[in-house]
Amino acid sequence: AQSVTQLDSQVPVFEEAPVELRCNYSSSVSVYLFWYVQYPNQGLQLLLKYLSGSTLVKGINGFEAEFNKSQTSFHLRKPSVHISDTAEYFCAVWGSNDYKLSFGAGTTVTVRA
Amino acid sequence: NAGVTQTPKFQVLKTGQSMTLQCAQDMNHEYMSWYRQDPGMGLRLIHYSVGAGITDQGEVPNGYNVSRSTTEDFPLRLLSAAPSQTSVYFCASSYPGGSSNTEAFFGQGTRLTVV
Repeated sequence: AQSVTQLDSQVPVFEEAPVELRCNYSSSVSVYLFWYVQYPNQGLQLLLKYLSGSTLVKGINGFEAEFNKSQTSFHLRKPSVHISDTAEYFCAVWGSNDYKLSFGAGTTVTVRA
Repeated sequence: NAGVTQTPKFQVLKTGQSMTLQCAQDMNHEYMSWYRQDPGMGLRLIHYSVGAGITDQGEVPNGYNVSRSTTEDFPLRLLSAAPSQTSVYFCASSYPGGSSNTEAFFGQGTRLTVV
């Protein structure tokens, strides 16, 4: 079984500042990793995913994440945030021998002017 | 291409009532699943299906029932609603894990309140 820990439940940040959301996972098998974003009162939208290959993954809206196998981490970053990035962000893992996603508890990002 | 469609968007139930949350996808995905979202707990898996006629339990299956008679549809039934089932419910569909298209697509959610 897989598990995901998002290390920050809330991240306040000023507009145009950088942000990093931390995600660690545990698994006994190889994994596929995802970041989803949920804007208020909406469903989940995929930001980016790591399946294989380059450990630096670029996604939509200027986000990127780096897969670190030795540290079992998949941290999400954006160099300069906008007010519109205010949302909840979920890290998720899919084990290679599994049929489903396991989610972290989520990180709420609030961007202030 | 509608993706994943959930109905209804909002529902209020009285304790003890039953209801069915509908989920349909038009992407011919084999995998479908139901999650519930509660504050501070992320999304927890209720039930999932790896194909028509095949379902299995997730983390929090008690009080819920599912069936999968077609590839497209995966309804979630609440047998006797309880206040603890007040939550936002999401349906998702996906290709099998391990394929280059591995990704879960989510519906817009159903906000359920049990009074």
